[in-house]
Amino acid sequence: QVQLVQSGAEVKKPGASVEVFCKASGYTFTSYYIHWVRQAPGQGLEWMGGINPSGGSTNYAQKLQGRVTMTRDTSTSTVYMELSSLRSEDTAVYYCARVGSGYRYGDLDYWGQGTLVTVSS
Amino acid sequence: QSALTQPPSASGSPGQSVTISCTGTSSDVGGYNYVSWYQQHPGKAPKLMIYEVSKRPSGVPVRFSGSKSGNTASLTVSGLQAEDEADYYCSSYAGSNNFVFGTGTRVTVL
Repeated sequence: QVQLVQSGAEVKKPGASVEVFCKASGYTFTSYYIHWVRQAPGQGLEWMGGINPSGGSTNYAQKLQGRVTMTRDTSTSTVYMELSSLRSEDTAVYYCARVGSGYRYGDLDYWGQGTLVTVSS
Repeated sequence: QSALTQPPSASGSPGQSVTISCTGTSSDVGGYNYVSWYQQHPGKAPKLMIYEVSKRPSGVPVRFSGSKSGNTASLTVSGLQAEDEADYYCSSYAGSNNFVFGTGTRVTVL
């Protein structure tokens, strides 16, 4: 069965960086895009960007350009999301999710369990 | 990229229908048939309910349906059940490899 398993909760200080991983199993890793979505406490969903696990190409939300980096390791079927220069507004649950169809379809059919990142001094 | 606009809340009694709107622009909802809807229960990851405006993934009950007219997409839940009480989010492809989510709607089953 398809599974996306994310790394555990993190507590970071303002200005630091955080890396969250998302390990995929149960399907051909390189055949499906992965997106990252975050949700601040009590708030809605925010699209952060996506990565093509096959070639490694990425697309990032304009708001996060320059601070977010998404990479992948095909040998371990794992996608990584690093967010730098953290501020309190980055406190959120971060989700990875698989795109079921082609990139533009954006149908996120399987989701990780979420990783809480808390930014606090 | 501005979030798509959804009503903050909607409600209905068991067995009734509720429709949630998702309003964007010609650059997102109106420009592509790539609108998805997600259901999220408290403390859980979102679940895909509708994709490509009106398609249901396997396992999603037929009482969930989607449509689109111009720059506004809609999700209708017919025959409301207690377990349908949740937050619902729309999302759309927004061009240039970008995506945008809606503001979210809390559905209450009275």
